[in-house]
Amino acid sequence: AQKITQTQPGMFVQEKEAVTLDCTYDTSDPSYGLFWYKQPSSGEMIFLIYQGSYDQQNATEGRYSLNFQKARKSANLVISASQLGDSAMYFCAMREGNSGNTPLVFGKGTRLSVIA
Amino acid sequence: DTEVTQTPKHLVMGMTNKKSLKCEQHMGHRAMYWYKQKAKKPPELMFVYSYEKLSINESVPSRFSPECPNSSLLNLHLHALQPEDSALYLCASSQELDRGRTQPQHFGDGTRLSIL
Repeated sequence: AQKITQTQPGMFVQEKEAVTLDCTYDTSDPSYGLFWYKQPSSGEMIFLIYQGSYDQQNATEGRYSLNFQKARKSANLVISASQLGDSAMYFCAMREGNSGNTPLVFGKGTRLSVIA
Repeated sequence: DTEVTQTPKHLVMGMTNKKSLKCEQHMGHRAMYWYKQKAKKPPELMFVYSYEKLSINESVPSRFSPECPNSSLLNLHLHALQPEDSALYLCASSQELDRGRTQPQHFGDGTRLSIL
């Protein structure tokens, strides 16, 4: 079974609008971290935002916010006021537990295209 | 600009060549990672080093040989690669391996490798 599911292969959004990228996860470990990364066509993976399983508040970083619904095991990324430079691939990722030997597991990604 | 520096950015090599990919970080991170990413796919973990010791080897073929000369450097030595090894190779680092669920991995820009 997939640990991270991103159901939207591609999304379009009008410039200046908000967009939500979906991510659901599967784990039985009570301790885990959720991460969102942006990958432009140039290749670099840019860390955007982190949410811990024990965090009470939804994470926010500038125009990025994470809609964390623990009971539903979802961690959707919300980008407000989209910009043309937001066009990229977005990956949701999870790391379980406190052991060093658990890998960072990525979803398949969502390609976001911002339209002028 | 990323704080993890990878060189070279592009590499074209024949199947009989020997080459090395280099990765450097000066954030004081003690965990470093190599990932392989094929087009339109998420990154796949290859190797993890923690405090300069190999911690995880995800059953990578021996034609890939990692090396961690010191806490700031990570190399990936390549020998007798196959055309299917053509991919983007990403290096990442994080503060410590054993707190991985709370710490993001910071990625370099990657090396685009083409095997002829």
